[in-house]
Amino acid sequence: ELKVEQNPLFLSMQEGKNYTIYCNYSTTSDRLYWYRQDPGKSLESLFVLLSNGAVKQEGRLMASLDTKARLSTLHITAAVHDLSATYFCAVDKRNAGGTSYGKLTFGQGTILTVHP
Amino acid sequence: SAVISQKPSRDICQRGTSLTIQCQVDSQVTMMFWYRQQPGQSLTLIATANQGSEATYESGFVIDKFPISRPNLTFSTLTVSNMSPEDSSIYLCSVREGAGNTIYFGEGSWLTVV
Repeated sequence: ELKVEQNPLFLSMQEGKNYTIYCNYSTTSDRLYWYRQDPGKSLESLFVLLSNGAVKQEGRLMASLDTKARLSTLHITAAVHDLSATYFCAVDKRNAGGTSYGKLTFGQGTILTVHP
Repeated sequence: SAVISQKPSRDICQRGTSLTIQCQVDSQVTMMFWYRQQPGQSLTLIATANQGSEATYESGFVIDKFPISRPNLTFSTLTVSNMSPEDSSIYLCSVREGAGNTIYFGEGSWLTVV
């Protein structure tokens, strides 16, 4: 059974600081997703990481994937209040033939609060 | 990117009743999924909605409780049957476009069972 674990689960940051959210998963996969969820809202797609060593950046967020370590990171640079949200990583497990199911297993989510 | 509409967006339901949630996509998609997000929790996959055939359910979810239809490549419904307060959740429709890499989510349907 595929398991996805995020840490930390709660992150309180000061504006201007840097921090990293970690996402570990238990079985082979080379397709990793990061989503953002604001209170009372649905999920917004942030990044799709498709191969070992993939790195993507958007604004103050940068995501990376190490498939050998089964680890993805979401790095936050110089945090601002607008980044306050819950962040989820999710893994899409391929079948034996290499086809992506499209079915996601989610981490627990990291509740990020950025304060002055 | 696919635009996904869900109805209802919110509802308050009586215990023991059933509610059907609709998911409409603005383009044909091969894969459609239904997820549940219980209060303060992460998302859990309920089932894959298969066009023209029975849905494929994940462990812990059964057709009698969560019947799903998918009559075509742009539409699906999820029914939550014989609801109890434990069914109070956000139900989200998700799609993957063709061989595309991104998986999109609808706005969600917030159900409260009283």
